[in-house]
Amino acid sequence: DAGVIQSPRHEVTEMGQEVTLRCKPISGHDYLFWYRQTMMRGLELLIYFNNNVPIDDSGMPEDRFSAKMPNASFSTLKIQPSEPRDSAVYFCASFSGPNTEAFFGQGTRLTVV
Amino acid sequence: LAKTTQPISMDSYEGQEVNITCSHNNIATNDYITWYQQFPSQGPRFIIQGYKTKVTNEVASLFIPADRKSSTLSLPRVSLSDTAVYYCLVGGRATGTASKLTFGTGTRLQVTL
Repeated sequence: DAGVIQSPRHEVTEMGQEVTLRCKPISGHDYLFWYRQTMMRGLELLIYFNNNVPIDDSGMPEDRFSAKMPNASFSTLKIQPSEPRDSAVYFCASFSGPNTEAFFGQGTRLTVV
Repeated sequence: LAKTTQPISMDSYEGQEVNITCSHNNIATNDYITWYQQFPSQGPRFIIQGYKTKVTNEVASLFIPADRKSSTLSLPRVSLSDTAVYYCLVGGRATGTASKLTFGTGTRLQVTL
């Protein structure tokens, strides 16, 4: 398996534009996580899915953020409209179950200007 | 979720053994302790997991005392490439907290010559 795959690796967009980040988890992993990392706030859990169903989205900062997992092999995190304070590295991770090893993607570095 | 407390940062010279202690006073009976490592510009990577006593793998050792209110990650003979942030996580299947992979502030380890 190629691991967790995120795209794009880098994204620069203008304030107000819609941004879509993509993630392909490891095949067979039932859990998928989206994180945001900044120097100020560290690694924040935004939302996680189990068997494609959102379980906890309490970390999603506001309504501008939305996440979907239409099938077991694909998830998106969308920001609409984007703002400069959304600039961060966004990570996707997956694991097969609680207390098992989680695998992270390489991240998407988002810059909103 | 069991709250964890770690030192913000540590410094070490190459070749020394480094011990990073994590406090988790309200750990639940069925909680496991897991450590992750994060290099700059990469996602966290699983290092080791344990429940009690001692666990060792090719990368590190994890020491957990009988009361399980703390744990110590031990890195033998560190090298410059061990410079990273180390996170301690606590959670278990019974409480459902193992599913919600939540990271604290971590310990920033700086290794120098």
